[in-house]
Amino acid sequence: GNSVTQMEGPVTLSEEAFLTINCTYTATGYPSLFWYVQYPGEGLQLLLKATKADDKGSNKGFEATYRKETTSFHLEKGSVQVSDSAVYFCARDGSSNTGKLIFGQGTTLQVKP
Amino acid sequence: DAGVIQSPRHEVTEMGQEVTLRCKPISGHNSLFWYRQTMMRGLELLIYFNNNVPIDDSGMPEDRFSAKMPNASFSTLKIQPSEPRDSAVYFCASSLMGSGANVLTFGAGSRLTVL
Repeated sequence: GNSVTQMEGPVTLSEEAFLTINCTYTATGYPSLFWYVQYPGEGLQLLLKATKADDKGSNKGFEATYRKETTSFHLEKGSVQVSDSAVYFCARDGSSNTGKLIFGQGTTLQVKP
Repeated sequence: DAGVIQSPRHEVTEMGQEVTLRCKPISGHNSLFWYRQTMMRGLELLIYFNNNVPIDDSGMPEDRFSAKMPNASFSTLKIQPSEPRDSAVYFCASSLMGSGANVLTFGAGSRLTVL
């Protein structure tokens, strides 16, 4: 089927630690891939995206590379800050050009000072 | 642009009452989505519209839920009658379909509590 699977949280890190949140997807074809972030009490916001294999999306120090060989789009950041504490959602677009996104279950990140 | 506007931000109601959630998408966007977020089920797509036409409502839980989009700048999600298990945060999102990678812009959400 078409789905997105993320590593389970919560993830708790100290400030300046390295972050990885794993995401894998299933799809027929090559969907566009996204990471969204949800800060407490807010809606989801686009963090970064990649539209084809080997593309690297980046924003605010976060990066993710579209790996078609492993059907993965892992999120990384070299040095997290307390302000990065949020819920992170991996997503892919639908199998046809419908405009809808399929989201993973979300991973909560808590960064401690 | 003020982004996607949802109202109310918070609603507390009693079981059996009608609930209407409202959404104003970003001007010029042609797709609109209603999602529901709960701790147990995560983020679920309820229904989405393209050019004001409902395309897929397979995520709507049951007949108690209905959604309309009478014009390009307004949509409603109605629950009648409401039940405690409907308690969740309901998000509206919009996008410009056909612009490349489909980027959704979300509203801040409507938190519904049904007692």
